[in-house]
Amino acid sequence: EPEVTQTPSHQVTQMGQEVILHCVPISNHLYFYWYRQILGQKVEFLVSFYNNEISEKSEIFDDQFSVERPDGSNFTLKIRSTKLEDSAMYFCASKLPLRTPLHFGNGTRLTVT
Amino acid sequence: TQLLEQSPQFLSIQEGENLTVYCNSSSVFSSLQWYRQEPGVGPVLLVTVVTGGEVKKLKRLTFQFGDARKDSSLHITAAQPGDTGLYLCAGGNSGNTPLVFGKGTRLSVIA
Repeated sequence: EPEVTQTPSHQVTQMGQEVILHCVPISNHLYFYWYRQILGQKVEFLVSFYNNEISEKSEIFDDQFSVERPDGSNFTLKIRSTKLEDSAMYFCASKLPLRTPLHFGNGTRLTVT
Repeated sequence: TQLLEQSPQFLSIQEGENLTVYCNSSSVFSSLQWYRQEPGVGPVLLVTVVTGGEVKKLKRLTFQFGDARKDSSLHITAAQPGDTGLYLCAGGNSGNTPLVFGKGTRLSVIA
């Protein structure tokens, strides 16, 4: 069965450094999402992306965050200058249109020290 | 802001027992999804309910969507250790808008 693939599985970075998290959504999916889950807290929406542009973003997704779909397969999340509070599991997800299931990747655990 | 409250937060039961976990909101959702998440992996969709009063069964799991589409429950019959995990409910509005997640119920089934 097709899967959403995320790399790396674990990223450790120093405060103030830039990180890029990588995702390969399911190939025929059209809607792409980033969510995050801080340890012990709920899964929170960051941003959705459709037709090569951001369709919706949350308050968390400030100027330090950006997303790109540089080619036909990758979907990246960049954090320009990481903060300690950015430490979390970051999940990429993708889906087909309308009422179809949302498929999650296995996440990247980001640790900012 | 739409919120989903899940209860209980933690549940530890013996193998063979039945249990029900709840997902409540003051907001109406067009759909309600239940996910199961194990350590180190992303949430895996169990079921989607879309009609008020709808009941869906998945083997020993029974999912119900409230009549007013504001709440949902998950009932597990004869729980097994393999049912251990974090159960998340997530509310959806129109088809492609982001899901709103609850904090989850962490279930531990002891053999």
